[in-house]
Amino acid sequence: EVHLLESGGGLVQPGGSLRLSCAASGFTFSSYAMNWVRQAPGKGLEWVSVISGSGDSTYYTDSVKGRFTISRDNSKNTLYLQMNSLRADDTAVYYCAKDPYDSSGYANFFDYWGQGTLVTVSS
Amino acid sequence: DIQMTQSPSSLSASVGDRVTITCRASQSISTYLNWYQQKPGKAPKLLMFATSSLQIGVPSRFSGSGSGTDFTLTISSLQPEDFATYYCQQSYSAPRTFGQGTKLEIK
Repeated sequence: EVHLLESGGGLVQPGGSLRLSCAASGFTFSSYAMNWVRQAPGKGLEWVSVISGSGDSTYYTDSVKGRFTISRDNSKNTLYLQMNSLRADDTAVYYCAKDPYDSSGYANFFDYWGQGTLVTVSS
Repeated sequence: DIQMTQSPSSLSASVGDRVTITCRASQSISTYLNWYQQKPGKAPKLLMFATSSLQIGVPSRFSGSGSGTDFTLTISSLQPEDFATYYCQQSYSAPRTFGQGTKLEIK
């Protein structure tokens, strides 16, 4: 059974940094692209970033480019999101989400999601 | 970026009703359209991908149709567990974008 468990959220001041983790199990982690998707309180879903299975290819939504870095450690079955220069509008629940296809490309949709971790950016 | 617009934003219906939610893309996305269900405090769940392919384990009362810019999600006979918020999402081009959501409430 696929299981994704995020951690690392919390309260951080504007301009601060935070690193989120997502521990994966139940599938061959290195074979699948992985994503971060966020949801501001009471709002809709926003895709944030994706990383290929090998980790050599990454993409970001414009609003986080240059501030967030996605990475993965396939030996630990763990996905990361390093968030720097955090702003109030980064406040959201952050979900890790798995790409559905075992391939070198991206399916661009998400078949399994973690339960999310809340990031609050406030002074 | 491709904008996704859902209608209605909210909908009240009764158990047993047939319900249709619409999703419109700002440009053609072929059939690269997916639907998710989200219940309060929970992660989204994939219902349907590629417009009309049902995700494993999703009941057959859910169906999808459309192509190009206009898509629909239909629930043929609402069950109590179907009351939730539904999101469409395009997987045609980056960035992957979602609709604003349709909240389905009990009448």
